[in-house]
Amino acid sequence: QVQLQQWGAGLLKPSETLSLTCAFYGGSFSGYYWSWIRQSPGKGLEWIGEINHSGSTNYNPSLKSRVTMSVDTSKNQFSLKVTSVTAADTAVYYCARERSGVDAFDIWGQGTKVTVSS
Amino acid sequence: EIVLTQSPGTLSLSPGERATLSCRASQSVSSSFLAWYQQKPGQAPRLLIYGASSRATGIPDRFRGSGSGTDFTLTISRLEPEDFAVYYCQQYDSSPPMYTFGQGTKLEIK
Repeated sequence: QVQLQQWGAGLLKPSETLSLTCAFYGGSFSGYYWSWIRQSPGKGLEWIGEINHSGSTNYNPSLKSRVTMSVDTSKNQFSLKVTSVTAADTAVYYCARERSGVDAFDIWGQGTKVTVSS
Repeated sequence: EIVLTQSPGTLSLSPGERATLSCRASQSVSSSFLAWYQQKPGQAPRLLIYGASSRATGIPDRFRGSGSGTDFTLTISRLEPEDFAVYYCQQYDSSPPMYTFGQGTKLEIK
C-alpha cells in the first residue's frame, strides 16, 4: 500500500529552523514531484514547494527566501527546512505526492502540527 | 498568482439532497489542472477530482466535477452521511510553477 509518513519537531521558538522529513513506501519514488503544503486557520492551504527525485525544486515565491528542500533517493525520503520561523509559520504541515500529468496531490502524509512560540 | 474563490462558505443540506459547490478563478485555468479535495476533521485532504472532471481512484460516481475557464463546479448528487466535510478546489499554474487552493466550502448537516 502506497503511503507517506512524515516526522519532525512540533514546537519551535521564533528564529529557529523548522525541519521535517517525509518517507514514501509501497511504490516507485522516481518519476514524481513531491510537495510540502501547510494549513493554518488564517491562510488555509498553502503550497510551499516541490522537489523531484533528481533534486529539481520549485518554491512558492512568498516563502522562497527561507525554504530549502532536499531528497534522499536511497531512502525514498524528502525533507523541508524553513529558516527564521515566526508565529506566522504555525500550521499543520503535509507532504504529498503530485499525480503525474494532472498536477494534483493524490497521496498525503498524516500531517505534522508545528507551533512557533516563545 | 491565480486566486480561487469558493462559494458558498458554508452549505447546510440534508442526506439525500444534491450539493453544488462553486470555485471561481481570478483568471482562466487550464481544465487539466483543476482539482477538488475533501477534508474531514483531523485528516489530510483527499483527492476527489482531477482534470476538472475525472474522479480519483475509489471515488463514488455521485461526485461529479465540471466547468472550464474561470468557473468550476463540484456536484454531489445524493449526499451520504460521510460526505459532510470541507471541500477545496486547487489549481496549478506553470508560469512560474505554483499551486493555489480555494478557501474551502464547509458542507454541514442541516
